[in-house]
Amino acid sequence: DAGVIQSPRHEVTEMGQEVTLRCKPISGHNSLFWYRQTMMRGLELLIYFNNNVPIDDSGMPEDRFSAKMPNASFSTLKIQPSEPRDSAVYFCASSLVSSGGGSRYFGPGTRLLVL
Amino acid sequence: TQLLEQSPQFLSIQEGENLTVYCNSSSVFSSLQWYRQEPGEGPVLLVTVVTGGEVKKLKRLTFQFGDARKDSSLHITAAQPGDTGLYLCAGYAGGTSYGKLTFGQGTILTVHP
Repeated sequence: DAGVIQSPRHEVTEMGQEVTLRCKPISGHNSLFWYRQTMMRGLELLIYFNNNVPIDDSGMPEDRFSAKMPNASFSTLKIQPSEPRDSAVYFCASSLVSSGGGSRYFGPGTRLLVL
Repeated sequence: TQLLEQSPQFLSIQEGENLTVYCNSSSVFSSLQWYRQEPGEGPVLLVTVVTGGEVKKLKRLTFQFGDARKDSSLHITAAQPGDTGLYLCAGYAGGTSYGKLTFGQGTILTVHP
């Protein structure tokens, strides 16, 4: 079975440009998570969806960040406008959330560099 | 806010040595997970522990959940270069958390041949 698919794997852009990250979760999973990882702050949860509905977006840094999940098989994380401090690795993960919290299945990540 | 503190942050050892990584919190968790992340990849789940005092073994890796479900440890016996990576613990609080995990900052392990 295919795991979580993310695209692009690498993105280099200039400050002020719009960046869109894409994720296809594992089929059958009911929850999707967007994380950001940096050396300084570790792995941070940005937002998560349950059954395509955003449950908690308190981790989204500011209004420049937005995420959507139009259907069970696709999600996007958009940064507009991008800033150098947004440079990080962005992971998408999916899970079948159960009473035990559900195991996270992470994608390979998108390495974003904003110049 | 629930926090998970991992120690040590960095660990550099020789092949064949034993090591222990700790994950501590002042909060109680319903379950705790351990992940390993290799360079350039996403974290991969190693194990989930759900019962206080539970011990799980995965080949040379031994995971323990504290009796009070506030802490956990990962012990590696006879470490090998293939064990190199970032080890993350993650706790699930249960209740209305809707599956939200709290991740520790991670322990970077380097095993030298």
